[in-house]
Amino acid sequence: QQQVKQSPQSLIVQKGGISIINCAYENTAFDYFPWYQQFPGKGPALLIAIRPDVSEKKEGRFTISFNKSAKQFSLHIMDSQPGDSATYFCAASGYGNKLVFGAGTILRVKS
Amino acid sequence: GAVVSQHPSRVICKSGTSVKIECRSLDFQATTMFWYRQFPKQSLMLMATSNEGSKATYEQGVEKDKFLINHASLTLSTLTVTSAHPEDSSFYICSVPGSGFGDTQYFGPGTRLTVL
Repeated sequence: QQQVKQSPQSLIVQKGGISIINCAYENTAFDYFPWYQQFPGKGPALLIAIRPDVSEKKEGRFTISFNKSAKQFSLHIMDSQPGDSATYFCAASGYGNKLVFGAGTILRVKS
Repeated sequence: GAVVSQHPSRVICKSGTSVKIECRSLDFQATTMFWYRQFPKQSLMLMATSNEGSKATYEQGVEKDKFLINHASLTLSTLTVTSAHPEDSSFYICSVPGSGFGDTQYFGPGTRLTVL
C-alpha cells in the first residue's frame, strides 16, 4: 500500500511535443503529490505539486492532472525542450511528511 | 523554497573507514530533516528521519548502528556511515521540509560515496 507505480520507465519525445508521465497509488491516506526533476549527479528539484482537492494544476509548461477516484495522477510537459531531458519522479506523502517515490522516468527530448 | 547544502559532494574512502556527510539548511530552521539513498538508475529510498534534539527514526531494514544520524542544531544534520563497505557506495541525499505548501520537501545536491 506504500507503493507509487510510475510509467513509462523511459520516454523519447520530439522537441515541441508533449511529454506525459503517469503514476498510480494505492494508499488513500496520501494527500500530497509532488513531481521532482533530477539531472545526473544532482539532487531532485521540486517541479510542481498537487493536493487531492483539485483535479489539475498548471505552472508554466508543467501540468499535473489528478484523478482521485482512479488514484492516478500524471505530469504533462508541454512544448518539451532538450533542456527538459532528465529523470522525473512522482511521489506521494501523507501524515508525517514521508515521501514515497515512484521508480522514475528517464525523459529524452530530441532536437 | 528552502536552500539545502551538503558536504562533501564526493568522497572516496577505503573499506572499513567511517565517513561523515553534512546536510545544512541555509535559510530555514528545520526540526526535521530526511536522509535518502539512491543507487544508480534507481529511485530514492528514505533511510531515516533526523529529529533535532532527539533520536533519529530509521526505516525498516536500515541499520541504525551503521548509519549514525545526529541533528546537532536547527540547521545541521549529519549522517555517518560507519565501517563502510563497497555495498554502501551510493548517492546520499538529504531533504528539508519547506515552510510553504503542505508537505513540500527540498533536497540537497547529494553526496556521492564510493567505498573501495
